[in-house]
Amino acid sequence: GAVVSQHPSRVICKSGTSVKIECRSLDFQATTMFWYRQFPKQSLMLMATSNEGSKATYEQGVEKDKFLINHASLTLSTLTVTSAHPEDSSFYICSARGQGANYGYTFGSGTRLTVV
Amino acid sequence: AQSVTQPDIHITVSEGASLELRCNYSYGATPYLFWYVQSPGQGLQLLLKYFSGDTLVQGIKGFEAEFKRSQSSFNLRKPSVHWSDAAEYFCAVADTGFQKLVFGTGTRLLVSP
Repeated sequence: GAVVSQHPSRVICKSGTSVKIECRSLDFQATTMFWYRQFPKQSLMLMATSNEGSKATYEQGVEKDKFLINHASLTLSTLTVTSAHPEDSSFYICSARGQGANYGYTFGSGTRLTVV
Repeated sequence: AQSVTQPDIHITVSEGASLELRCNYSYGATPYLFWYVQSPGQGLQLLLKYFSGDTLVQGIKGFEAEFKRSQSSFNLRKPSVHWSDAAEYFCAVADTGFQKLVFGTGTRLLVSP
């Protein structure tokens, strides 16, 4: 149980275009989802926290207009990187937390974004 | 605010040898502690977690961790390492509200033949 699917696993886009990354909880309802960014050989940096039906809470220094997060249902959250630039190239990972302590935090398999 | 320290950036262990990865946390109340493993280009897989109760926690793949409140530590151990254990290991702490997970900087485990 507690599976999170993240799609796509890899994406290459041109500078100036937008890219959408999906994060789905397959077998549980995710009341809260988290989006992280990971630079090579570094730890995970929390970008934002989203609760279903509410606006996302962004961490300090994260541009909310560039990284649009939507959590429209209890099983789906999306991260859209708008007007992507090469410096946005990174590994993005989502995490979902269900109701109750036993669910903990389940992570998706990540998305490698390359902006050319 | 809570924080996690993993003092070892890299560790090399011979296959079959024992392993201990260190993790120290800073949090005022009772922490919820986690160990995750990440293979290159992959997401994070939960190895084990501590919420309360027995301070020695058993996880998957033969891993265990011991919560020591007096030392603010949650070290990960495995009695005999396999080559497939080579990966990045992250310790993390969550607050009692189960909001953010705060990660350590990670320890890269290399397994030598």
